[in-house]
Parts: sequence; C-alpha cells; structure tokens
Amino acid sequence: DAKTTQPPSMDCAEGRAANLPCNHSTISGNEYVYWYRQIHSQGPQYIIHGLKNNETNEMASLIITEDRKSSTLILPHATLRDTAVYYCIVRPLGGGSNYKLTFGKGTLLTVNP
Amino acid sequence: KAGVTQTPRYLIKTRGQQVTLSCSPISGHRSVSWYQQTPGQGLQFLFEYFSETQRNKGNFPGRFSGRQFSNSRSEMNVSTLELGDSALYLCASSLTGAGTGELFFGEGSRLTVL
Repeated sequence: DAKTTQPPSMDCAEGRAANLPCNHSTISGNEYVYWYRQIHSQGPQYIIHGLKNNETNEMASLIITEDRKSSTLILPHATLRDTAVYYCIVRPLGGGSNYKLTFGKGTLLTVNP
Repeated sequence: KAGVTQTPRYLIKTRGQQVTLSCSPISGHRSVSWYQQTPGQGLQFLFEYFSETQRNKGNFPGRFSGRQFSNSRSEMNVSTLELGDSALYLCASSLTGAGTGELFFGEGSRLTVL
C-alpha cells in the first residue's frame, strides 16, 4: 500500500478555510485517496475520497494534483467542531479481500475561536 | 438509518480475564471489520468478516478472535488479557468490504486492563 505523509498538527481560525496537505508519492494507478477524521474519543468519520479529479461534498473539498502525488483537503469555513485528527489514506477502490486498513498518525487540526 | 453500534462503550478487566465486544453494523452491510487503536501504534487492522466468513486477518496473536452471525452482527473476543491489550477497539461496517468503498465506524469500546 502507498504510504502517506501528513504534518502532525495545524491551527486554523474559526470561519477561515482549513487546508490540510497529504503526500502520497508512491500511489498506484488504482488507488484512491480517502480522508477520514476522528474527533476525540469517537470513531473515525468518512469525509471524502477521490481518484484524480477534484471532489466536493457537503463536508469538504478534495484537490488532487495532476501527478496524484499529493492532495489537499479543504474545509471551507472551519468551526470549533472541526477540531479533530484528520487521516489521509490511499486504498484501492475495487481492491479485494486482502486489504488491511491502516491509519498513520494524521494531522491534529485545532480550530481556534 | 441507524449507525454502527458497539457495546459496551467502556469496560475494565484484569490481566488473565477474557472479554467479548459486540458490533451491530448498518442495516444491509455484510462486512464488519475490527481495529485496535492505541496512542503508540495508531489504528491497526484485526480482522474482517463478510457474510459470516473471516476473509482477512491482521497480525495479532490467536488470543484475538471473532465471529459474525447471520444477521451480520459481529463479536470479537480477547482471551488471557494482557496490560498491552488496553486500547480503543473499533468496528466498521461496509457495504462492499473493508478493502473497498466507505467504512462506517462505531464509537468504539474502550478496554482498560489492570
């Protein structure tokens, strides 16, 4: 599986956009980029995923570079409730029964009032 | 629709005891996967069940086991508990399997071993 690299922590002011980067330079052609987040003492929550095109949903936008070696998760108007650890992972969409999901350390995003 | 439900949410055991954790997936999801999360090791895959069959297993000792019932509910059991088994145990359900698509996680069961 491709490994990902994320900064350990970031700060963001409430109401501003939070841009969380992720490097995945060894990503394979059939691997998607997924983002999850984990608010303290809760289970991880799915945010968004994409292959090569930019994606947007009600929670966030995902920008993937043309060479697919990195991506950025954008929370357009961060709120205090967005304070969480954000995990970027790559995994094959149709990838079969041998896949073993592993999260790295992620980025602790702290949204300040 | 209802999310993934894990019980119990918190429990305390002593070394040598055994524990059983339960997970009820989202209705219609046939895949349930289990994970151990600790501050030092992060989130690690334990095993996945799909339609009552274990189809993938992580690198954990045989003390960790699981099963899935015909209604897709799953249990995991840890026998002969060790201090290092203290962790947040998460389960996730998926429509298509742990290797594909979205995973929906429960709130977790926090196990403390004394």
